[in-house]
Amino acid sequence: SAVISQKPSRDICQRGTSLTIQCQVDSQVTMMFWYRQQPGQSLTLIATANQGSEATYESGFVIDKFPISRPNLTFSTLTVSNMSPEDSSIYLCSVGAQSGSGYEQYFGPGTRLTVT
Amino acid sequence: QKEVEQNSGPLSVPEGAIASLNCTYSDRVSQSFFWYRQYSGKSPELIMSIYSNGDKEDGRFTAQLNKASQYVSLLIRDSQPSDSATYLCAVPRSNDYKLSFGAGTTVTVRA
Repeated sequence: SAVISQKPSRDICQRGTSLTIQCQVDSQVTMMFWYRQQPGQSLTLIATANQGSEATYESGFVIDKFPISRPNLTFSTLTVSNMSPEDSSIYLCSVGAQSGSGYEQYFGPGTRLTVT
Repeated sequence: QKEVEQNSGPLSVPEGAIASLNCTYSDRVSQSFFWYRQYSGKSPELIMSIYSNGDKEDGRFTAQLNKASQYVSLLIRDSQPSDSATYLCAVPRSNDYKLSFGAGTTVTVRA
């Protein structure tokens, strides 16, 4: 499976500010996914980022709040804008690979965000 | 009905016992099913994928799939303290690769 890195690994931010999270993959991938995991909760998909096209957002997530860039096939960024304490979560990027059991997704190490 | 539901936890088992985790899904056309393990403070790790009815074994893990009943389970045999983690069931949505996750079941293996 691909090696995925994220920066920063964690951050503490003040409300009203923005944070950009980077996701780097060691191989070219078509789709990259951004998830959020709120404290004690499961994973929720924020958006899908395809290179060369606009990201597609899931219900409840909007581009103004979570702008995404996908400049090439190995890199993506997610920005959390105008943060509030409710944005305190772990943000995870993932990439997929086709296997005999379907399209498997693998996750980066995550970015732990605390908003004060 | 939630898209993916897992049996409520937490689940505590003695070392050496079998831990049984269940997951049901609502989308009848789902084809592939995944189990992830997530240690506290870490990201989810894919440990098992299955797409055919029946059993699939990988070491001490066995996934069981029954599409007619829309459930998939994970058995952990000879449970070890290192198996203590939250286990997440994931199912792709119809016609795309996007995953829906269950709430997770936290397993604690008692030494």
